[in-house]
Amino acid sequence: EPEVTQTPSHQVTQMGQEVILRCVPISNHLYFYWYRQILGQKVEFLVSFYNNEISEKSEIFDDQFSVERPDGSNFTLKIRSTKLEDSAMYFCASKGDSVNSPLHFGNGTRLTVT
Amino acid sequence: AQSVTQLDSHVSVSEGTPVLLRCNYSSSYSPSLFWYVQHPNKGLQLLLKYTSAATLVKGINGFEAEFKKSETSFHLTKPSAHMSDAAEYFCVVSDLRAGGFKTIFGAGTRLFVKA
Repeated sequence: EPEVTQTPSHQVTQMGQEVILRCVPISNHLYFYWYRQILGQKVEFLVSFYNNEISEKSEIFDDQFSVERPDGSNFTLKIRSTKLEDSAMYFCASKGDSVNSPLHFGNGTRLTVT
Repeated sequence: AQSVTQLDSHVSVSEGTPVLLRCNYSSSYSPSLFWYVQHPNKGLQLLLKYTSAATLVKGINGFEAEFKKSETSFHLTKPSAHMSDAAEYFCVVSDLRAGGFKTIFGAGTRLFVKA
């Protein structure tokens, strides 16, 4: 069964550094998402992406964040200047174009900002 | 407005007894509803989904959920808990609106299973 893959599985970075989290969605999916889960807390929506543009973003997704689909397969989340509170598990998801199709999640990237 | 409320942050059951994890939702559209499970240090796995074909939905690992529109509920059940069911469970609502699908998570219910 096709899977969403995320790399790296764990990223450690210093405060103020830029990080790029990478995702390869399922190939025939059209909707892409990033979610964040701070340790011990709920899964929070960050951003959705469709037709090469952001369709919706949450209050968390401020100017420090950006997403890109640089080619036909990758979907990236960039944090320009990381803060300690950006430490979390970041999940990428993709979805088919049916209202009934579920989100398929990657295994996540654990970001640790020191 | 779209929201999803999981009524219990923690549920503790004994192995072999029934499991009930409660979820209520609100949506201005006709939503699709899902349950996901997250085992410790793992990703999010789809348990089951409601697609409007049937109100009682069967998922993996013996879990079921019943969609009750009048109560705006989508509670997750299992007749007999197993130790391996100990995990975090998320109720998720998704609806289609201008600009695409919006999908949000409930706060999660942590299920503890006692031997």
